[in-house]
Amino acid sequence: DTGVSQDPRHKITKRGQNVTFRCDPISEHNRLYWYRQTLGQGPEFLTYFQNEAQLEKSRLLSDRFSAERPKGSFSTLEIQRTEQGDSAMYLCASSLAAGVDNEQFFGPGTRLTVL
Amino acid sequence: AQKITQTQPGMFVQEKEAVTLDCTYDTSDQSYGLFWYKQPSSGEMIFLIYQGSYDEQNATEGRYSLNFQKARKSANLVISASQLGDSAMYFCAMSLSGAGSYQLTFGKGTKLSVIP
Repeated sequence: DTGVSQDPRHKITKRGQNVTFRCDPISEHNRLYWYRQTLGQGPEFLTYFQNEAQLEKSRLLSDRFSAERPKGSFSTLEIQRTEQGDSAMYLCASSLAAGVDNEQFFGPGTRLTVL
Repeated sequence: AQKITQTQPGMFVQEKEAVTLDCTYDTSDQSYGLFWYKQPSSGEMIFLIYQGSYDEQNATEGRYSLNFQKARKSANLVISASQLGDSAMYFCAMSLSGAGSYQLTFGKGTKLSVIP
């Protein structure tokens, strides 16, 4: 297993278009997280899944954002009607266990640029 | 609400010297975890070290150590014998037991530059 993977690594789109990102977690990890990182900031939590259930969503996740994790394996994050403010790095992370000591393993991220 | 503060936007260190990156945190939870991640220019977040709120000993991982002062709510990262490959962004983060997701809350980061 080579770790968390994300696809695509870069996406350039025009305002108003829909985009979808994919995250493949480490295979035995049942928890999957999405974060967004804008320039000069640390990552900000968007949402997380335990297996296939989406259990928490941040207020940052507007109605234009939707995330899924069918069958508790890979996850997709879709942004509809993209806006320039959506330009950011979208990071996916996974972890095996729940707890304050649960180390999250991050993927390389998808950098979104909205023109 | 929980908060992580990193007051050093940028730091310079001479190769082979030690450097301390500051991190303070704010939470009313008694059970929490503190993490440091490294983010090179490639963008991937790399886990460095973890400290639990109930751990009495400071965490160490190779050249990394965490100077945990619970009463002062600080969790500074010490990198010994700096190497050129240590040049990167460094983020302090916190995980809370009260947050069911155990999501990480990150600071704004410190950009470390190692000078040959």
